[in-house]
Amino acid sequence: EAGVTQSPTHLIKTRGQQATLRCSPISGHTSVYWYQQALGLGLQFLLWYDEGEERNRGNFPPRFSGRQFPNYSSELNVNALELEDSALYLCASSGASYSSYEQYFGPGTRLTVT
Amino acid sequence: SQQGEEDPQALSIQEGENATMNCSYKTSINNLQWYRQNSGRGLVHLILIRSNEREKHSGRLRVTLDTSKKSSSLLITASRAADTASYFCATGNTGGFKTIFGAGTRLFVKA
Repeated sequence: EAGVTQSPTHLIKTRGQQATLRCSPISGHTSVYWYQQALGLGLQFLLWYDEGEERNRGNFPPRFSGRQFPNYSSELNVNALELEDSALYLCASSGASYSSYEQYFGPGTRLTVT
Repeated sequence: SQQGEEDPQALSIQEGENATMNCSYKTSINNLQWYRQNSGRGLVHLILIRSNEREKHSGRLRVTLDTSKKSSSLLITASRAADTASYFCATGNTGGFKTIFGAGTRLFVKA
């Protein structure tokens, strides 16, 4: 069974541009989570989607947005990129509607903003 | 702010020794999970302990949970060089919303 996949693996953008990151959950999983991990730091919760709806978001500005498609895959968009947006962006999926269950992580997308 | 806080921030031990990491949290939880992250990669789920459980084992891993102290510990016995990684605790709260991760403990196991 395929795990969580993310694309692209690496993304290099210039300050002010927009970045789009993609995630495909494990087959049968309806919940998708996005996290930001700056170098050497812990995970910061960004967004949680379930059944196509945004269920919760972390303490990030509105230029971080996303959506979940009918096939449960998800997209994270970051507008007006800033240097401090450089980080590893991790996507995770779970099979439960509530996030009290284990999450399965993808390998991440490393975003570098120059 | 993050709910789960791991202690210590970093730990360096010799192969064969035991490694103990602690996690403290602030609000009531439904469960607590431990994850491992190898350098710059995705997290791997290790073990989940529910709020009505006090101890759980999985191979060389032993997790304890003390809800009265709002703390958990992860013990890795007979450590190996391959255990070198960052370890995160994550709490699932009773509201059933987002799982909150701590900042992690970086474990170095020297061969």
